[in-house]
Amino acid sequence: DGGITQSPKYLFRKEGQNVTLSCEQNLNHDAMYWYRQDPGQGLRLIYYSQIVNDFQKGDIAEGYSVSREKKESFPLTVTSAQKNPTAFYLCASGQGATTGELFFGEGSRLTVL
Amino acid sequence: KQEVTQIPAALSVPEGENLVLNCSFTDSAIYNLQWFRQDPGKGLTSLLLIQSSQREQTSGRLNASLDKSSGRSTLYIAASQPGDSATYLCAVDASNDYKLSFGAGTTVTVRA
Repeated sequence: DGGITQSPKYLFRKEGQNVTLSCEQNLNHDAMYWYRQDPGQGLRLIYYSQIVNDFQKGDIAEGYSVSREKKESFPLTVTSAQKNPTAFYLCASGQGATTGELFFGEGSRLTVL
Repeated sequence: KQEVTQIPAALSVPEGENLVLNCSFTDSAIYNLQWFRQDPGKGLTSLLLIQSSQREQTSGRLNASLDKSSGRSTLYIAASQPGDSATYLCAVDASNDYKLSFGAGTTVTVRA
């Protein structure tokens, strides 16, 4: 089936550790995104990529890093520099800026112990 | 910076009643607006996408209107069902740079 797969669904981390969240899509979309969702707030953009080997910072990129080595993959690393990493992380993909819908994965919930 | 607001934050209605969900945005120069549904602990599911040149979009019991000049969109859900209980979010593409601005959502409960 076509879609976006995020893993793991749940992740626990000790303070000071880096963790990487996986996002894979088989929709052949050019653009991929990472959003963070906190209770009572709208989604906030962390990073996005329009094309392989290129990505841009979103509104809250500090403490996060990404790579885009393959069209179908856009992993997010939450580093120890992220001061409040406990959140629900959502990956999305889309075909273009103004023509297509945005499709989301099921999300990854990160809890820092 | 584009600000997107959804009021009310929560809504409870009896089954069968029509739902009206509101979304407002501050910059009327948008490219498109998208409505999503989110179930607890899940990702977002796209419901309707309205391009800037359109006034409305319909899918089954769902109808979304767009009024760019007033910075508003409304999602109508006819004859609500308990299965419609979820959080509904709107998102605006205002800059043609692959970024969307999201509202915080309206959480809907449909009582059987």
